[in-house]
Amino acid sequence: GQSLEQPSEVTAVEGAIVQINCTYQTSGFYGLSWYQQHDGGAPTFLSYNALDGLEETGRFSSFLSRSDSYGYLLLQELQMKDSASYFCAVRGDQAGTALIFGKGTTLSVSS
Amino acid sequence: DAGVIQSPRHEVTEMGQEVTLRCKPISGHNSLFWYRQTMMRGLELLIYFNNNVPIDDSGMPEDRFSAKMPNASFSTLKIQPSEPRDSAVYFCASRGALMKYTEAFFGQGTRLTVV
Repeated sequence: GQSLEQPSEVTAVEGAIVQINCTYQTSGFYGLSWYQQHDGGAPTFLSYNALDGLEETGRFSSFLSRSDSYGYLLLQELQMKDSASYFCAVRGDQAGTALIFGKGTTLSVSS
Repeated sequence: DAGVIQSPRHEVTEMGQEVTLRCKPISGHNSLFWYRQTMMRGLELLIYFNNNVPIDDSGMPEDRFSAKMPNASFSTLKIQPSEPRDSAVYFCASRGALMKYTEAFFGQGTRLTVV
């Protein structure tokens, strides 16, 4: 099977940098993604890492270390609108299987 | 494209009633997922279709839940009979064959309340 672990809550202030970690366990690996979900909304895709290293998309970056089964989402220059839940997700054990999500990290950004 | 469309957006029903949730995936997408989200359990995969065929239904809680995908543009999730513990937000998501392995588009969800 597969499992993902991430912190349940993170708090930060506007303008700060925050890192949300995710460790995963799968017997096969087809990439790690991050999703953002605002209260009452749908999860939306943020990033994808298939290879080790850092992927940058504007204020958001995502990192992957396959040898450590570990990734993180880095949010810079935090804004109030970044307050949301963030989920890491992996593909299942075999190609053609479904997306499995972590329990989510609630980020609260204060002024 | 209008994105993944789910209906209804909200459903309130009495225990024991049948509930049918509907999903129209993005045109051209060949994978469809149904998820259930609760505070306690997070986003749980219920069932996954690929090319209209159910591939993995191990997440379906029990026989009261059933899902169908009669064609590439429509899927239903049915609960019969419904119970209060089924109260949750149900999301449908779709993915195209050329998309990244872990990328999917989600509908806005159906908030189900069983009283």
